[in-house]
Formats: sequence, structure tokens, C-alpha cells
Amino acid sequence: DQQVKQNSPSLSVQEGRISILNCDYTNSMFDYFLWYKKYPAEGPTFLISISSIKDKNEDGRFTVFLNKSAKHLSLHIVPSQPGDSAVYFCAASQGGSEKLVFGKGMKLTVNP
Amino acid sequence: GAGVSQSPRYKVAKRGQDVALRCDPISGHVSLFWYQQALGQGPEFLTYFQNEAQLDKSGLPSDRFFAERPEGSVSTLKIQRTQQEDSAVYLCASSRVRGEQYFGPGTRLTVT
Repeated sequence: DQQVKQNSPSLSVQEGRISILNCDYTNSMFDYFLWYKKYPAEGPTFLISISSIKDKNEDGRFTVFLNKSAKHLSLHIVPSQPGDSAVYFCAASQGGSEKLVFGKGMKLTVNP
Repeated sequence: GAGVSQSPRYKVAKRGQDVALRCDPISGHVSLFWYQQALGQGPEFLTYFQNEAQLDKSGLPSDRFFAERPEGSVSTLKIQRTQQEDSAVYLCASSRVRGEQYFGPGTRLTVT
């Protein structure tokens, strides 16, 4: 029973354009959400997070949007760069527990 | 280095052997986590320590899996009588406060 779902396994975009990565969750108790980026043979690297009391958080080229009523979050990367090519994981946690629940990941390819 | 380190990076074990995987967290990080990542999947939570106390071991798949962090720093994940289904990447992460977890590069375990 996947509590965090990334339904698209891959996305390909042109350099300079926007990349939009989507994530849905089923557990309404989740109150903290994170995005991680992973290169081959490396561990996941933290990108950006958002608390459930907010609906948007921005850090440079990365913006995360949270729609609690739809149980949906998205990561926007603008402008996309070839170095952004990696697997991106959405993760969530709920109050009282520090463990993260991850989605299956989505492979982003940014073409020069 | 300042990051989370794990050893060995690669381990091949014959079915039935015992293995021990080591994690050195970031200095000063109170919380330490172990995750298992199967091919094509996101990381799945195994267990979590706060200092030397194991607060959550709900993700350990069987009693063949055992983790310890006796002095609140280095942690060891031990798998007894390895089975083929134990083949995966084992990721360790640490954090200072609730929020972003910093991951090591992982140990890829192959059981033959």
C-alpha cells in the first residue's frame, strides 16, 4: 500500500524550460514533505521541504507547492539545467515520527 | 569528510552468511536512520535511533535483522542468515533535528 505515489516514472525536458514533478499521498496525517535528488551510486541529497502549514516554499530555482485538499505536491525547477538530470524522490513524514515514507522516484532528463 | 559514511560500499554474501554494515553519521547528529532500497523502488524505512536508544524498529523485515548504536554515534546493521531477498542497497541517514535527513552513499548487498 503506497502512501506516497509518484505516478510518472520519467520526464524529459529541454534545458531552460520548466520541469514539473508531481507527487500524491494518501495519509492525511503527513505534515512534512521533502524532495530528494539522487545520482547513480550516491545517496539521496536533500533538495527542499515544506511544512503542511504552508502551501509554497521557494529556494532558488526550486519551488515546492502543496495542495492539502488534493493531497498533492509538486516540485518546479526553473530553468532546468542538464545537471538536474537525476532521479527525484518525494518523501513525507507525520508528527510524532521522524521516519520518512518515500515514493518510487521519477527520472528527470534535461536535454542540452 | 563531513558527510555520512558507510562501509563497505559493496558486499557479496553467500546465502546463509551473516553480514554487518557500518554507518558513521555526521558528528553531532542525534538521530540515525536505516533504510532499504530495492531496485527501482524508493528507500523503505527499517529502523531509527535517537542517540543510543532505538525508538522505532517497525520496518525491520524479520528477526534476522538487528541494528545497534551503543554509544550514540556509529551504528551497525546486522543481517543474519542472509537470503536472496535481502539483496538491496542499505542506506543510512542522520539528522540533527526533525526535518531533512542526510544520507550516506549506501552499501549494495548482493546475496548469491
